[in-house]
This record gives sequence, C-alpha cells and structure tokens, in this order.
Amino acid sequence: GAVVSQHPSWVICKSGTSVKIECRSLDFQATTMFWYRQFPKQSLMLMATSNEGSKATYEQGVEKDKFLINHASLTLSTLTVTSAHPEDSSFYICSASIGGTNIQYFGAGTRLSVL
Amino acid sequence: AQSVTQLGSHVSVSEGALVLLRCNYSSSVPPYLFWYVQYPNQGLQLLLKYTSAATLVKGINGFEAEFKKSETSFHLTKPSAHMSDAAEYFCAVRSRAGGTSYGKLTFGQGTILTVHP
Repeated sequence: GAVVSQHPSWVICKSGTSVKIECRSLDFQATTMFWYRQFPKQSLMLMATSNEGSKATYEQGVEKDKFLINHASLTLSTLTVTSAHPEDSSFYICSASIGGTNIQYFGAGTRLSVL
Repeated sequence: AQSVTQLGSHVSVSEGALVLLRCNYSSSVPPYLFWYVQYPNQGLQLLLKYTSAATLVKGINGFEAEFKKSETSFHLTKPSAHMSDAAEYFCAVRSRAGGTSYGKLTFGQGTILTVHP
C-alpha cells in the first residue's frame, strides 16, 4: 500500500515552454502533498506544500508564478514549471501523506532537462 | 527551526561489514525522525521512523536506528552490509510543533554508501 506515482519520469523540453508533472496517490487519499527539488549530489529542498482544495504554501525563495501547483483532488497534485529555462533543470520529487499520520510517501521523481 | 546534519557525505564498507551512518538533529522539541534510502534516479523509500515509542527502531532490509535524546542523534546501522545496500541515505526530521513548520520534513545532506566486494 501507500504507492505514489509520478509522471513523467523524464522530460526534455525547449527553453520557454511549460512542463506539467503529475503526482498521484494510487491506493490512498492524500490530504497533503509536497513538492521537492533535488540538484545533483544535493539533498531534497522543499518547494511547496499543498492541501486538497486550497492554495499551495510555497517555501521562501520559490516563485509561485513559475512553479504552479494544483491539488484538485485527494489523489492528484500537479506541478507546472512555466516558461522553463535551463536553470530549472533538476530532479523534482513529490510526496504524499495521509491526514493524521507523520509519514510521507515519495514518488519516483521526474528528471527535467531544459535545453 | 529544525535541522539535520549527516556526518560524512561518503561511507565505504566491505561486504559483510558493519554499516554506520551518522545523523544528528537540532529541534526545539523532540521531533519525529526518519531514514530514507534513494537509489539512482529514483524517489525515496522509507527505511524506518522514530515517533516516540521504543528508542531502538527496526526497519526494512535489516537496518535499525537508535534515538538518543542526550546526544540528539539518530544513527543508522546494519550489522552486515550487502552489495544491494549501495545507495544514498537521507536522515530527515519532522517537527511535532505546530505553526508553519508542521508536517514539513527537513532532510540532511545525504550519505552515499558504497559497498565493496
């Protein structure tokens, strides 16, 4: 149980285009989803926290207009990188937690390469 | 504010040897503590967690960790390393306190474990 699916696993796009990444909880309802960014050989940095039906809470320094997060249902959250540039190239990982628990279940991550 | 420090970005052991990955935390209140493992180009898999029950926590794949409040540590150990244990390991802390930090995980820098035959 507690499987989180992230799609796509790898995406290459041209500079200036937008990319959408999906994060789904397959066998549970995720009241909260988290989006992380991981640069090569570095740890995970939390970008934002999203609760179903409400606006995401972004961490300091994360541009909310660039990284659009939608958490429309208890099983799906999306991260859209708008007008992507090469510096946005990174590994993006989502996680989901069940309300009242303290465990986050992670997706397999999405590697974004912006040319 | 909470923080996590993992001592040693790289640890190398021989197959069959003891694995010890160090983690120290800083938190205003005793936190929840976690160890995750990450294989290349994959997400994180939970190894074990401490949530205030027994201080010695057993996880998957033969790993265990001991919460020591006096030392603010949560080191990860495994008696005998396998080749398949080669991966990157992250210690993480989650605050029990409310406010803006509630529910958020703060990760350490990660430790890459290499296992030699």
